Amino acid sequence: EPEVTQTPSHQVTQMGQEVILRCVPISNHLYFYWYRQILGQKVEFLVSFYNNEISEKSEIFDDQFSVERPDGSNFTLKIRSTKLEDSAMYFCASTRDSNEQFFGPGTRLTVL
Amino acid sequence: GESVGLHLPTLSVQEGDNSIINCAYSNSASDYFIWYKQESGKGPQFIIDIRSNMDKRQGQRVTVLLNKTVKHLSLQIAATQPGDSAVYFCAEGSTNDYKLSFGAGTTVTVRA
Repeated sequence: EPEVTQTPSHQVTQMGQEVILRCVPISNHLYFYWYRQILGQKVEFLVSFYNNEISEKSEIFDDQFSVERPDGSNFTLKIRSTKLEDSAMYFCASTRDSNEQFFGPGTRLTVL
Repeated sequence: GESVGLHLPTLSVQEGDNSIINCAYSNSASDYFIWYKQESGKGPQFIIDIRSNMDKRQGQRVTVLLNKTVKHLSLQIAATQPGDSAVYFCAEGSTNDYKLSFGAGTTVTVRA
């Protein structure tokens, strides 16, 4: 069964450093998402991406964040200058043409 | 602001009993609702969804009920098993933008 994959599973970085979180969505999916989940809290929407552009973003997704689909398979989330409060699980999700979003296993980002 | 929320943060259930998890939503524009299960250290896993033109939908051992009058959503799990222990999230969305807004989550613990 096809699945969304994410790398790395755990990323530790120093405050102020740039990080890139990588995702490989399910191959025939057209809509891509990033969500985050701070420990013990609910899953929060960050950004949606369709047809090579951002279709919607939340207030969390400020100028420090960017997304890219550099080739036909990868979907990345970049945080330019990490802050302590960026520590969270980051989930990638994809869907073809419905609301049923398939989530990856997540990347745990720890900012020191 | 409008949000999706859950009535109870935790639920303890005896193995073999039925479980009911409740969710309240307040965004009247939402027309799609979905339940996810999240096990420790993993991403949200799809359980079942329902569109606003339906009141009830059944899956394997699970049933989702939607009451649009009082903006209430519930997930019923029949014959709860130890493997059902997880955090359960309801989420709402719109078929126009596919973004999901998640509730706070209910932790279900199954007692042997």
